[in-house]
Amino acid sequence: QKEVEQDPGPLSVPEGAIVSLNCTYSNSAFQYFMWYRQYSRKGPELLMYTYSSGNKEDGRFTAQVDKSSKYISLFIRDSQPSDSATYLCAMSHPETGGTSYGKLTFGQGTILTVHP
Amino acid sequence: SQTIHQWPATLVQPVGSPLSLECTVEGTSNPNLYWYRQAAGRGLQLLFYSVGIGQISSEVPQNLSASRPQDRQFILSSKKLLLSDSGFYLCAWSVHGLYERGYTFGSGTRLTVV
Repeated sequence: QKEVEQDPGPLSVPEGAIVSLNCTYSNSAFQYFMWYRQYSRKGPELLMYTYSSGNKEDGRFTAQVDKSSKYISLFIRDSQPSDSATYLCAMSHPETGGTSYGKLTFGQGTILTVHP
Repeated sequence: SQTIHQWPATLVQPVGSPLSLECTVEGTSNPNLYWYRQAAGRGLQLLFYSVGIGQISSEVPQNLSASRPQDRQFILSSKKLLLSDSGFYLCAWSVHGLYERGYTFGSGTRLTVV
């Protein structure tokens, strides 16, 4: 079983729709949670990060963490064609094997297409 | 502000040829540095990480090596490329000891071995 599971999609929605992207994880030591957006042929860029259960909003984006269920989500409101990208969840715990390098574990990514 | 530079953007190399990809970070000191490979299935595979000059850790055995000759320079190398080395290579950095902010990635190098 992978530590982080993410539905690869692809997901296709009309412009203006609410998008829900999800990841589940098995390692209860994960404390920090991030969402990255990756456009085609580009490096991933950090969208949001959070380290507590509950919701965090940033404009049209809301990150939700449920540590009891080991489940995180990213909601996109009023989706736009410019939101078309691959979305990767990532998570880490404070220290790994004493190296304190903060290793990130990524989901496989969900391909999202928002059509006009 | 901090920036990360990675080059070249694309590279086509014959099997058996050497490889050198370079990554530099500006605007910070003592960063943690990482090399990732992203295959067609979109998953990110951690290849190497470094917490300081000359300190390299490998996550998976492979045909590649990494070096960190300076604080903000990270190099990915191979003596002889294999077809299976094709992929999208990403360099990333993070603040040492600050885990909750994740990594900042470079723009990537698309390597095709022919």
